[in-house]
Amino acid sequence: QVQLVESGGGVVQPGRSLRLSCAASGFTFSTYGMHWVRQAPGRGLEWVAVIWYDGSKKYYADSVKGRFTISRDNSQNTLYVQMNSLRAEDTAVYYCAREDGSKAALHYYYYGMDVWGQGTTVTVS
Amino acid sequence: EIVLTQSPGTLSLSPGERATLSCRASQSVSSSNLAWYQQRLGQAPRLLIYGASTRATGIPDRFRGSGSGTDFIVTISRLEPEDFAVYYCQLYGDSRLTFGGGTKVEIK
Repeated sequence: QVQLVESGGGVVQPGRSLRLSCAASGFTFSTYGMHWVRQAPGRGLEWVAVIWYDGSKKYYADSVKGRFTISRDNSQNTLYVQMNSLRAEDTAVYYCAREDGSKAALHYYYYGMDVWGQGTTVTVS
Repeated sequence: EIVLTQSPGTLSLSPGERATLSCRASQSVSSSNLAWYQQRLGQAPRLLIYGASTRATGIPDRFRGSGSGTDFIVTISRLEPEDFAVYYCQLYGDSRLTFGGGTKVEIK
């Protein structure tokens, strides 16, 4: 079945680095844009980053720009986020999510983030 | 940067009642880029509605999305026990995604 499984979370000291992974299965990973979304304890959802299906474009939230790097390995069906210079405010559950959509002529139709992983917890302390 | 404001913050209702959740954008947006998600306690978010009004696969028809411009609504016609959760609106666009702050639907 269609599935995303995150890993790599843990407890890390401020200023250190961590890399999260998201293993995809059950669908053609290389044809979907992928996102990281996080949720701090007791807070709402915060978008972190997106990478296009082929890795050609990447965009980041202002809160992580310059510190986080999103990447993917389509041969391994895996999404990553490298998190450097971690801060206490980066403490959160990190979800990976698949973006659904379609392109017709010059228009892109967004169909939402339709598959989510179960999340991995990052604690910066 | 467009800001999404959801109201109310918390909605206290009984099973069987109707719920109306609001999402207001700080400027006019394309309804085709507006989605809603449900997050039950301890679970990952789940896509409910995209394009402001199209239900995602497997979403029951008691959920209805509507709106345009700056004002969007999700209506749950009759609350089932599994509908008590937090709901987020979300906007796609301009190389970023934006989430609203969420509305918690709790049992009265």
